[in-house]
Amino acid sequence: SQQGEEDPQALSIQEGENATMNCSYKTSINNLQWYRQNSGRGLVHLILIRSNEREKHSGRLRVTLDTSKKSSSLLITASRAADTASYFCATSGGYQKVTFGTGTKLQVIP
Amino acid sequence: NAGVTQTPKFQVLKTGQSMTLQCAQDMNHEYMSWYRQDPGMGLRLIHYSVGAGITDQGEVPNGYNVSRSTTEDFPLRLLSAAPSQTSVYFCASTREGSDNEQFFGPGTRLTVL
Repeated sequence: SQQGEEDPQALSIQEGENATMNCSYKTSINNLQWYRQNSGRGLVHLILIRSNEREKHSGRLRVTLDTSKKSSSLLITASRAADTASYFCATSGGYQKVTFGTGTKLQVIP
Repeated sequence: NAGVTQTPKFQVLKTGQSMTLQCAQDMNHEYMSWYRQDPGMGLRLIHYSVGAGITDQGEVPNGYNVSRSTTEDFPLRLLSAAPSQTSVYFCASTREGSDNEQFFGPGTRLTVL
């Protein structure tokens, strides 16, 4: 069964707006990662947050992690049309336990 | 570096046929994995390997075999294809000690008729 569940399943915003997507998971983790998948392509690693971290930034990306609520959020600020993609969270409790959520499909309208 | 490469990009099989999906990486990563991606299901782990000669089952291993004779290559074999194996297959590699950051190949889209 999937460890992570993303919310919302789909999101449509105007260029320049911020996009927020959420991930909830079920068991304890070592870290949580976010990946992007452009249509017809493989997944690309965006950012990783460890279980002892609460917030992390990378360029226009901001990730938060709340281990007490078993949830994470990914914020993309000042979105661009090129951000249109599906975004997946992945939780890791050890190598064999890297599991992916079902993804959020983001559309950024120019 | 080519990263993670997969062949073929597309494949159509008839039920009962066998085939091997190829995966290779040139980053000298110790860990390699195979996932399948189905609509609304995210990615599910089929098999993985922590080094040459070592493989183990993931979440959905039935109907698939793997072997890891070299660090670079990790082929996935379908012995007798079934329509339920219609999916997009992704190979990924990870460097040991990297917090499991996965590098993905471009995928193989498989249709079983």
